[in-house]
Amino acid sequence: DAGVTQSPTHLIKTRGQQVTLRCSPKSGHDTVSWYQQALGQGPQFIFQYYEEEERQRGNFPDRFSGHQFPNYSSELNVNALLLGDSALYLCASSLKGPGLGTGELFFGEGSRLTVL
Amino acid sequence: GIQVEQSPPDLILQEGANSTLRCNFSDSVNNLQWFHQNPWGQLINLFYIPSGTKQNGRLSATTVATERYSLLYISSSQTTDSGVYFCAAELNRDDKIIFGKGTRLHILP
Repeated sequence: DAGVTQSPTHLIKTRGQQVTLRCSPKSGHDTVSWYQQALGQGPQFIFQYYEEEERQRGNFPDRFSGHQFPNYSSELNVNALLLGDSALYLCASSLKGPGLGTGELFFGEGSRLTVL
Repeated sequence: GIQVEQSPPDLILQEGANSTLRCNFSDSVNNLQWFHQNPWGQLINLFYIPSGTKQNGRLSATTVATERYSLLYISSSQTTDSGVYFCAAELNRDDKIIFGKGTRLHILP
């Protein structure tokens, strides 16, 4: 049973560029949440996708956008990259039960983005 | 907004010692999870514990939702327990999951 997989694992971009990160959820899961983790900090919630729609969003600008596909996989897009976007981007999947909230999160290994 | 506060921020212990990590949250929550982040950055699930007590080997956790805190106990610490421990609280009102800043645990051989 494959867990949560993310790609790429590492990437380097320059300021102003755009980046797309990808996530495949754990088998049987239907919800994907994205987090940004700066060095020495806790993960910060970016947004959550369920039924191919953005359901919740944290305090991130519109430069951060996403998508969820019919097979539940997801992409995170960041436009007009800034130096401050350098971070570990974590994807988590869960099974969203009715009235039970987001459910238990399972994380991938992350994509480490460096913006020069 | 909701605050999730972890204490202590840093902890250095000798191998074999016991430790208690605390997580306080400022709002009512659906659920509470504990994670261990390994040196490569991956978050490893430890406990999914909305209330009550659970045990897994040398680790156990207790959540008292009515008093808005959770505790993670590590007994007979080993050097492999080193790393950062995070709690994450799922808000009752909108299902957002918010992380604390973590407790950095260093177990000395």
